[in-house]
Amino acid sequence: DTGVSQDPRHKITKRGQNVTFRCDPISEHNRLYWYRQTLGQGPEFLTYFQNEAQLEKSRLLSDRFSAERPKGSFSTLEIQRTEQGDSAMYLCASTQTDTQYFGPGTRLTVL
Amino acid sequence: GQQLNQSPQSMFIQEGEDVSMNCTSSSIFNTWLWYKQDPGEGPVLLIALYKAGELTSNGRLTAQFGITRKDSFLNISASIPSDVGIYFCAGAQSPGRGNTPLVFGKGTRLSVIA
Repeated sequence: DTGVSQDPRHKITKRGQNVTFRCDPISEHNRLYWYRQTLGQGPEFLTYFQNEAQLEKSRLLSDRFSAERPKGSFSTLEIQRTEQGDSAMYLCASTQTDTQYFGPGTRLTVL
Repeated sequence: GQQLNQSPQSMFIQEGEDVSMNCTSSSIFNTWLWYKQDPGEGPVLLIALYKAGELTSNGRLTAQFGITRKDSFLNISASIPSDVGIYFCAGAQSPGRGNTPLVFGKGTRLSVIA
């Protein structure tokens, strides 16, 4: 399967813990996006990269969140000091031209 | 932040019926996209629209990019059980088609009764 992959698919953590998610985009896709989706809502944009450069961050991305794409391939999204409000599905997407292809997401539950 | 107003929120239809849903915005979007999401999975692209007035089909699906660039609709003809899921509209404001950050609607949940 050469689609976007995300790891882990599910993460349960206690409030205050740090978590890190990984996204592997489709090979040779130069743009990579992170979105967050809460129950009953559509995905909301968090940040995106072109190669290793982070081009834009939304206001949703508080200072507890950090994303990296060190070699322009896979990306990580870290949440420090998790809060219950961080519980959501975190989606990654990638594109080479016009179409964003989404991964299956990582579902985070903060207890 | 910006939002797309998607309606209806949910639909219950009989197998074989046609379905229509739409999406509106107070802002202009230069690209309109329609995605379908199954439970526990990421959205899958159904149709992409890049030009005002454009009408595009993909099998039983037809979508149109509104002439004002502030709305779009999606029609599904002769629905089947596997059409069940949540349908999202998404828009991109920046030039560059679909490779800039997307704004999504809240989704239309479709249930098909066999």
